[in-house]
Amino acid sequence: NAGVTQTPKFQVLKTGQSMTLQCAQDMNHNSMYWYRQDPGMGLRLIYYSASEGTTDKGEVPNGYNVSRLNKREFSLRLESAAPSQTSVYFCASNIRGQSSYNSPLHFGNGTRLTVT
Amino acid sequence: AQTVTQSQPEMSVQEAETVTLSCTYDTSENNYYLFWYKQPPSRQMILVIRQEAYKQQNATENRFSVNFQKAAKSFSLKISDSQLGDTAMYFCAFAPYSGSARQLTFGSGTQLTVLP
Repeated sequence: NAGVTQTPKFQVLKTGQSMTLQCAQDMNHNSMYWYRQDPGMGLRLIYYSASEGTTDKGEVPNGYNVSRLNKREFSLRLESAAPSQTSVYFCASNIRGQSSYNSPLHFGNGTRLTVT
Repeated sequence: AQTVTQSQPEMSVQEAETVTLSCTYDTSENNYYLFWYKQPPSRQMILVIRQEAYKQQNATENRFSVNFQKAAKSFSLKISDSQLGDTAMYFCAFAPYSGSARQLTFGSGTQLTVLP
């Protein structure tokens, strides 16, 4: 039982390059999330997927796209990377039922992305 | 919209002593969850403790306890008998009971260092 697995752990991109961050969970969670973490700003939600087949924008979605490939996998794509997207990215998952947070978030180990 | 404020960017404590981390929040919701997450140098985000607003009793998990003051909108974390492994960034977070996933809001974090 690996929990939430993110790849890669580190990545350096040049401005304008594209890449996809991969995330998979093996806990049968229905909801998955992508956050970015910047110094002094906590974690901010980029996109989330409440259930398989649905995705919604979070607080800071500009410059990103997501795909909920199946119940296990939720990827984040940067089509044309910019220096402002230098950050640490976290994938998370949980079970959501009638209330918003029936279970706490389980996080991956993060991806440190640098855009030069 | 909710806001979560952690006014102490950095704190330190001697091993075996007690430390309290502060968190205040602003919301018009009556039912909600509050969380403390820990992020050690490994970058893994770990749930420390959770409090449901309708419960008057303060949550406790081993050496970690909270002081939840609903009227004051305050949610502090007390760590007793601090250990070197408690060195981490601590995030306070708020989630409305019946809101959408995008309404989980994190504070900016407090870096705690436990000194030997």
